[in-house]
Amino acid sequence: AQTVTQSQPEMSVQEAETVTLSCTYDTSESDYYLFWYKQPPSRQMILVIRQEAYKQQNATENRFSVNFQKAAKSFSLKISDSQLGDAAMYFCAYRSPDAQKLVFGQGTRLTINP
Amino acid sequence: SQTIHQWPATLVQPVGSPLSLECTVEGTSNPNLYWYRQAAGRGLQLLFYSIGIDQISSEVPQNLSASRPQDRQFILSSKKLLLSDSGFYLCAWSARGRRGGAFFGQGTRLTVV
Repeated sequence: AQTVTQSQPEMSVQEAETVTLSCTYDTSESDYYLFWYKQPPSRQMILVIRQEAYKQQNATENRFSVNFQKAAKSFSLKISDSQLGDAAMYFCAYRSPDAQKLVFGQGTRLTINP
Repeated sequence: SQTIHQWPATLVQPVGSPLSLECTVEGTSNPNLYWYRQAAGRGLQLLFYSIGIDQISSEVPQNLSASRPQDRQFILSSKKLLLSDSGFYLCAWSARGRRGGAFFGQGTRLTVV
Protein backbone atom coordinates (compact mmCIF):
# COMPACT_ATOMS: atom_id res chain seq x y z
CA ALA A 1 0.00 0.00 0.00
CA GLN A 2 1.13 3.50 -0.72
CA THR A 3 2.20 5.56 2.26
CA VAL A 4 3.23 9.19 2.59
CA THR A 5 5.49 10.43 5.37
CA GLN A 6 6.09 13.98 6.50
CA SER A 7 8.76 13.86 9.17
CA GLN A 8 8.48 17.49 10.27
CA PRO A 9 5.38 18.06 12.42
CA GLU A 10 6.23 21.76 12.75
CA MET A 11 8.43 24.25 10.98
CA SER A 12 8.96 27.97 11.36
CA VAL A 13 10.58 30.57 9.17
CA GLN A 14 11.20 34.29 9.22
CA GLU A 15 9.08 36.36 6.89
CA ALA A 16 10.73 36.84 3.48
CA GLU A 17 13.04 33.87 3.93
CA THR A 18 12.94 30.44 2.31
CA VAL A 19 11.71 27.23 3.89
CA THR A 20 11.66 23.63 2.67
CA LEU A 21 9.12 21.05 3.78
CA SER A 22 9.99 17.38 3.41
CA CYS A 23 7.93 14.48 2.14
CA THR A 24 8.76 10.89 1.32
CA TYR A 25 6.49 8.20 -0.05
CA ASP A 26 6.49 4.51 -0.63
CA THR A 27 5.13 2.92 -3.80
CA SER A 28 5.85 0.15 -6.26
CA GLU A 29 4.22 2.00 -9.14
CA SER A 30 6.17 3.86 -11.79
CA ASP A 31 3.49 6.32 -12.83
CA TYR A 32 1.75 8.44 -10.22
CA TYR A 33 1.08 12.01 -9.17
CA LEU A 34 2.22 13.99 -6.17
CA PHE A 35 0.67 17.07 -4.64
CA TRP A 36 1.14 19.65 -1.94
CA TYR A 37 -1.95 21.04 -0.27
CA LYS A 38 -2.27 23.98 2.09
CA GLN A 39 -4.81 24.07 4.90
CA PRO A 40 -5.12 27.49 6.54
CA PRO A 41 -7.01 28.02 9.82
CA SER A 42 -10.28 28.06 7.86
CA ARG A 43 -9.55 24.35 7.20
CA GLN A 44 -10.27 24.71 3.52
CA MET A 45 -7.92 22.47 1.55
CA ILE A 46 -6.11 24.36 -1.21
CA LEU A 47 -4.07 22.68 -3.93
CA VAL A 48 -0.66 24.38 -4.07
CA ILE A 49 1.34 22.44 -6.61
CA ARG A 50 1.42 19.09 -8.40
CA GLN A 51 4.06 16.88 -9.97
CA GLU A 52 3.67 14.02 -12.43
CA ALA A 53 6.12 11.21 -11.83
CA TYR A 54 7.07 10.77 -15.48
CA LYS A 55 8.16 14.40 -15.72
CA GLN A 56 11.73 14.99 -14.62
CA GLN A 57 11.35 18.75 -14.50
CA ASN A 58 10.41 20.06 -11.09
CA ALA A 59 7.08 21.89 -10.91
CA THR A 60 6.97 25.57 -10.02
CA GLU A 61 4.07 27.85 -9.12
CA ASN A 62 5.17 31.38 -8.35
CA ARG A 63 6.96 31.26 -4.97
CA PHE A 64 6.33 27.53 -4.58
CA SER A 65 8.56 24.90 -6.12
CA VAL A 66 9.27 21.25 -5.57
CA ASN A 67 12.34 19.06 -5.54
CA PHE A 68 11.21 15.72 -6.93
CA GLN A 69 13.68 12.87 -6.51
CA LYS A 70 11.97 9.80 -7.99
CA ALA A 71 14.67 7.28 -7.13
CA ALA A 72 14.75 8.45 -3.54
CA LYS A 73 10.94 8.75 -3.45
CA SER A 74 11.26 12.24 -2.09
CA PHE A 75 9.07 15.25 -2.85
CA SER A 76 9.93 18.41 -0.94
CA LEU A 77 8.23 21.80 -1.15
CA LYS A 78 10.22 25.01 -1.17
CA ILE A 79 8.51 28.27 -0.32
CA SER A 80 10.51 31.34 -1.28
CA ASP A 81 10.02 34.83 0.12
CA SER A 82 7.72 33.51 2.85
CA GLN A 83 4.69 35.63 3.62
CA LEU A 84 2.45 35.76 6.67
CA GLY A 85 -0.36 34.30 4.58
CA ASP A 86 1.68 31.17 4.02
CA ALA A 87 1.12 30.13 7.62
CA ALA A 88 -0.89 26.91 7.48
CA MET A 89 -0.76 23.14 7.64
CA TYR A 90 0.87 21.68 4.55
CA PHE A 91 0.06 18.20 3.35
CA CYS A 92 1.87 16.07 0.87
CA ALA A 93 -0.32 13.67 -1.12
CA TYR A 94 0.12 10.75 -3.48
CA ARG A 95 -2.32 9.69 -6.16
CA SER A 96 -2.24 6.42 -8.01
CA PRO A 97 -3.56 6.79 -11.58
CA ASP A 98 -5.12 3.34 -11.71
CA ALA A 99 -6.72 3.00 -8.31
CA GLN A 100 -7.50 6.69 -8.15
CA LYS A 101 -6.69 6.69 -4.45
CA LEU A 102 -5.41 9.91 -2.93
CA VAL A 103 -3.34 9.37 0.20
CA PHE A 104 -2.07 12.14 2.47
CA GLY A 105 0.82 12.55 4.85
CA GLN A 106 0.39 13.68 8.45
CA GLY A 107 1.10 17.30 7.65
CA THR A 108 3.58 19.99 8.65
CA ARG A 109 2.45 23.06 10.53
CA LEU A 110 4.27 26.08 9.14
CA THR A 111 4.61 29.24 11.22
CA ILE A 112 5.81 32.50 9.71
CA ASN A 113 7.59 34.83 12.12
CA PRO A 114 7.26 38.54 11.31
CA SER B 1 -17.19 25.38 -13.38
CA GLN B 2 -17.17 22.55 -10.92
CA THR B 3 -18.32 22.97 -7.35
CA ILE B 4 -18.60 20.67 -4.39
CA HIS B 5 -21.14 21.06 -1.63
CA GLN B 6 -20.86 19.38 1.72
CA TRP B 7 -23.29 19.66 4.61
CA PRO B 8 -23.92 20.24 7.37
CA ALA B 9 -20.97 22.42 8.39
CA THR B 10 -21.31 21.60 12.06
CA LEU B 11 -23.03 18.74 13.82
CA VAL B 12 -23.36 17.71 17.46
CA GLN B 13 -24.77 14.25 17.96
CA PRO B 14 -25.24 12.01 21.03
CA VAL B 15 -23.47 8.69 21.31
CA GLY B 16 -25.51 5.93 19.72
CA SER B 17 -27.36 8.20 17.30
CA PRO B 18 -27.22 7.75 13.51
CA LEU B 19 -25.20 9.91 11.15
CA SER B 20 -25.65 11.06 7.59
CA LEU B 21 -23.25 13.48 5.90
CA GLU B 22 -23.92 14.42 2.32
CA CYS B 23 -21.65 15.59 -0.45
CA THR B 24 -22.67 16.66 -3.95
CA VAL B 25 -20.54 17.68 -6.91
CA GLU B 26 -21.80 19.89 -9.73
CA GLY B 27 -20.38 20.69 -13.13
CA THR B 28 -18.71 17.37 -13.86
CA SER B 29 -19.63 13.76 -14.49
CA ASN B 30 -18.15 10.43 -13.38
CA PRO B 31 -16.00 11.97 -10.65
CA ASN B 32 -13.92 10.05 -8.19
CA LEU B 33 -15.28 10.78 -4.74
CA TYR B 34 -13.56 10.62 -1.37
CA TRP B 35 -14.34 10.87 2.33
CA TYR B 36 -11.58 11.82 4.75
CA ARG B 37 -11.48 12.32 8.50
CA GLN B 38 -9.10 14.72 10.18
CA ALA B 39 -8.48 14.67 13.92
CA ALA B 40 -7.53 17.99 15.50
CA GLY B 41 -4.14 19.14 14.24
CA ARG B 42 -3.55 15.88 12.42
CA GLY B 43 -3.42 14.49 8.92
CA LEU B 44 -6.19 13.33 6.63
CA GLN B 45 -7.22 9.73 6.99
CA LEU B 46 -8.81 8.28 3.87
CA LEU B 47 -12.06 6.55 4.87
CA PHE B 48 -13.72 5.70 1.57
CA TYR B 49 -13.24 6.38 -2.08
CA SER B 50 -15.44 5.65 -5.06
CA ILE B 51 -14.69 5.50 -8.76
CA GLY B 52 -18.33 4.95 -9.73
CA ILE B 53 -21.79 4.04 -8.53
CA ASP B 54 -21.61 0.78 -6.56
CA GLN B 55 -17.82 0.97 -6.61
CA ILE B 56 -16.82 2.02 -3.12
CA SER B 57 -13.62 1.04 -1.40
CA SER B 58 -13.22 1.13 2.36
CA GLU B 59 -9.81 1.97 3.67
CA VAL B 60 -10.28 1.66 7.40
CA PRO B 61 -12.55 -0.83 9.21
CA GLN B 62 -14.74 1.23 11.45
CA ASN B 63 -18.17 2.29 12.52
CA LEU B 64 -18.87 4.14 9.27
CA SER B 65 -20.20 3.29 5.82
CA ALA B 66 -20.47 5.13 2.54
CA SER B 67 -22.92 5.05 -0.33
CA ARG B 68 -23.14 6.63 -3.75
CA PRO B 69 -26.81 6.69 -4.75
CA GLN B 70 -26.15 8.96 -7.73
CA ASP B 71 -23.11 9.67 -9.87
CA ARG B 72 -22.29 12.94 -8.11
CA GLN B 73 -23.59 12.22 -4.63
CA PHE B 74 -21.59 10.63 -1.85
CA ILE B 75 -23.00 9.91 1.59
CA LEU B 76 -21.19 9.00 4.80
CA SER B 77 -23.30 7.18 7.35
CA SER B 78 -23.27 5.49 10.69
CA LYS B 79 -25.98 3.54 12.47
CA LYS B 80 -24.64 4.26 15.95
CA LEU B 81 -22.05 6.95 16.60
CA LEU B 82 -19.16 6.46 19.00
CA LEU B 83 -17.24 9.14 20.86
CA SER B 84 -14.24 8.27 18.72
CA ASP B 85 -16.14 9.28 15.58
CA SER B 86 -15.72 12.94 16.50
CA GLY B 87 -13.60 14.88 14.04
CA PHE B 88 -13.52 16.98 10.93
CA TYR B 89 -14.88 15.20 7.86
CA LEU B 90 -13.95 16.25 4.38
CA CYS B 91 -15.45 15.24 1.08
CA ALA B 92 -13.45 15.60 -2.11
CA TRP B 93 -13.68 14.87 -5.81
CA SER B 94 -11.21 14.37 -8.61
CA ALA B 95 -11.62 13.94 -12.35
CA ARG B 96 -11.56 10.32 -13.47
CA GLY B 97 -8.43 9.45 -15.39
CA ARG B 98 -7.10 13.00 -15.25
CA ARG B 99 -3.87 14.14 -13.74
CA GLY B 100 -5.17 16.84 -11.48
CA GLY B 101 -5.51 16.78 -7.75
CA ALA B 102 -8.66 16.56 -5.71
CA PHE B 103 -10.93 19.42 -4.76
CA PHE B 104 -12.43 19.61 -1.33
CA GLY B 105 -15.68 20.65 0.28
CA GLN B 106 -15.80 22.96 3.25
CA GLY B 107 -15.86 20.11 5.74
CA THR B 108 -18.15 19.03 8.58
CA ARG B 109 -17.11 19.35 12.18
CA LEU B 110 -18.73 16.44 14.01
CA THR B 111 -18.81 16.31 17.79
CA VAL B 112 -20.19 13.20 19.42
CA VAL B 113 -21.28 13.83 23.01
